[in-house]
Amino acid sequence: ETGVTQTPRHLVMGMTNKKSLKCEQHLGHNAMYWYKQSAKKPLELMFVYNFKEQTENNSVPSRFSPECPNSSHLFLHLHTLQPEDSALYLCASRNRGNGYTFGSGTRLTVV
Amino acid sequence: EDKVVQSPLSLVVHEGDTVTLNCSYEVTNFRSLLWYKQEKKAPTFLFMLTSSGIEKKSGRLSSILDKKELFSILNITATQTGDSAVYLCAVLDISGGSNYKLTFGKGTLLTVNP
Repeated sequence: ETGVTQTPRHLVMGMTNKKSLKCEQHLGHNAMYWYKQSAKKPLELMFVYNFKEQTENNSVPSRFSPECPNSSHLFLHLHTLQPEDSALYLCASRNRGNGYTFGSGTRLTVV
Repeated sequence: EDKVVQSPLSLVVHEGDTVTLNCSYEVTNFRSLLWYKQEKKAPTFLFMLTSSGIEKKSGRLSSILDKKELFSILNITATQTGDSAVYLCAVLDISGGSNYKLTFGKGTLLTVNP
């Protein structure tokens, strides 16, 4: 375990479902990130939170909705997704030394 | 737009071989370059490079950064089957004084055959 825990590890959802991905870290990091990793593409930054405030939304469709209730928890709420949204969703946190720690990811399949 | 390009995209070698993975970048406010190893789970941190010309080593792995030519290499000597993974290069830039962003390349898929 890296210290960044993501749940669930795998998720299959229909296009009309609503689900949420969860990320938790108790490393004392103040910045948290959502990345999307699709096959044969670089990791794509989706959202950035610094001290619970969203500082970046990288042109992500509104069917993805992040939530950061405190500096240890980060959620990604999903609704009316498309099959092309199927990917590995990675959460990361950053320490003051700029080191990033990644979670193991949620493998999402939209059917 | 920030860009990170890795080469080759895939590589197959035999145990004991030495490999060199390449990463070139174009970013606006460069802060540091990071290498990660990704098997089937979370990318795991290998190196962070901030200064040119200073080699970082960890066992059989080493890496160096050239900030003038905007590239980095990751060397693995005496490869083992356990080195098989995707190696990710990422560049950290900072805008507005506090907005950190990590931009990744596509990765190099390394396969080490026995």
